[in-house]
Amino acid sequence: DIQMTQSPSTLSASVGDRVTITCRASQSISAWLAWYQQRPGKAPDLLIYKASTLKSGVPSRFSGSGSGTEFTLTISSLQPDDFATYYCLQYNTYPNTFGQGTKLEIK
Amino acid sequence: EVQLLESGGGLVQPGGSLRLSCAASGFTFNNYAMSWVRQAPGKGLEWVSTITGSGGGTFYADSVRGRFTISRDNSKNTLYLQMNSLRAEDTAVHYCVRLRGTPNSAFDIWGQGTLVTVSS
Repeated sequence: DIQMTQSPSTLSASVGDRVTITCRASQSISAWLAWYQQRPGKAPDLLIYKASTLKSGVPSRFSGSGSGTEFTLTISSLQPDDFATYYCLQYNTYPNTFGQGTKLEIK
Repeated sequence: EVQLLESGGGLVQPGGSLRLSCAASGFTFNNYAMSWVRQAPGKGLEWVSTITGSGGGTFYADSVRGRFTISRDNSKNTLYLQMNSLRAEDTAVHYCVRLRGTPNSAFDIWGQGTLVTVSS
């Protein structure tokens, strides 16, 4: 199975900050990676797929990059609504696997 | 509007069975692969199973293979998950998820989830 390792597990930041979350795959997954945002008590929302394609309707302050085994999610200027938990997902191979999550907290 | 509405969760004893349903609306159901993804209390996300749009292909996580069966009724726009031989570690919110298209695509639209609790 492909292991997805996210870092950091927790990130403290302030409104207006630029933040980056990293996801590493245990083997190459080409660009078959997605990023999700999950608020407490809610279902996850798709932000980015195919590593860097922004889903329609998602604010442009979110961006993704990477290919192969290393990927990043960047939020260019944090807004209050962005404090949530973020997950990466590889869908290159079954079983599909998620990273363990990054909780983005208000500093 | 695309909507997924799960039902069928609840409290069940270890070794028991439960069938989850997911009613889909707002899109052409048989054009999309569908999945179940779960989340144990306070934990991360775990993919459980995926089925192709026609229903002819299925995929399972090792943790549920042989115990869970995914199926769909395209005439009723409904996805199912039959869960047998349930264990305490199956306790989780179970989400019905639409993929962007084929089975090799990202999870796109999520239902609100239904809680399955396995406990005596």
